[in-house]
Amino acid sequence: GAGVSQSPSNKVTEKGKDVELRCDPISGHTALYWYRQSLGQGLEFLIYFQGNSAPDKSGLPSDRFSAERTGGSVSTLTIQRTQQEDSAVYLCASSLKLAVYEQYFGPGTRLTVT
Amino acid sequence: AQSVTQLDSQVPVFEEAPVELRCNYSSSVSVYLFWYVQYPNQGLQLLLKYLSGSTLVESINGFEAEFNKSQTSFHLRKPSVHISDTAEYFCAVKNPQGGSEKLVFGKGTKLTVNP
Repeated sequence: GAGVSQSPSNKVTEKGKDVELRCDPISGHTALYWYRQSLGQGLEFLIYFQGNSAPDKSGLPSDRFSAERTGGSVSTLTIQRTQQEDSAVYLCASSLKLAVYEQYFGPGTRLTVT
Repeated sequence: AQSVTQLDSQVPVFEEAPVELRCNYSSSVSVYLFWYVQYPNQGLQLLLKYLSGSTLVESINGFEAEFNKSQTSFHLRKPSVHISDTAEYFCAVKNPQGGSEKLVFGKGTKLTVNP
């Protein structure tokens, strides 16, 4: 079946612009996660959703970052007034439910802020 | 707070040699442990996991990892590697009672298998 998909695969933006990154989880998966992979920091947790609510937003680096999930499916990660340090690969994952279920990762969106 | 340390950022080995990728975690509570693999130009895939029960867990492609609570380790081993095992390997931990579902990852170990 179809895996987790993310769009765009690559995004180049100018410093100060806003960007939206999209994640389509595996159909039927209730939990959705966002991570960031960067050279200096490795893989960092950003936020996760159970259904449409986000019980843990502790990983969002600043108030320029926000995320939403609608209809228990698609999620959008928005970065406002992008900075060069936001350049990274943004990974989305989904799992059938929370707790012991495996997280399936998408291919990521590579964001470059110039 | 939990943390994961992967001491080796890069591990070069020759084909058919054994390999061990080290992972240590810090946590004051029980944890779930995972190894993920990222092949070149591909997404992260779960390799194996420890949730409870037998401390030795195996993957379908010959890797195994052993949970050692006293040493807070979850090292990944393979007795004989192939060229196709070249990838980046990430160890991760989750606190099942922590109220959060986030995975905390190590910084990764790049395994390069040379002919």
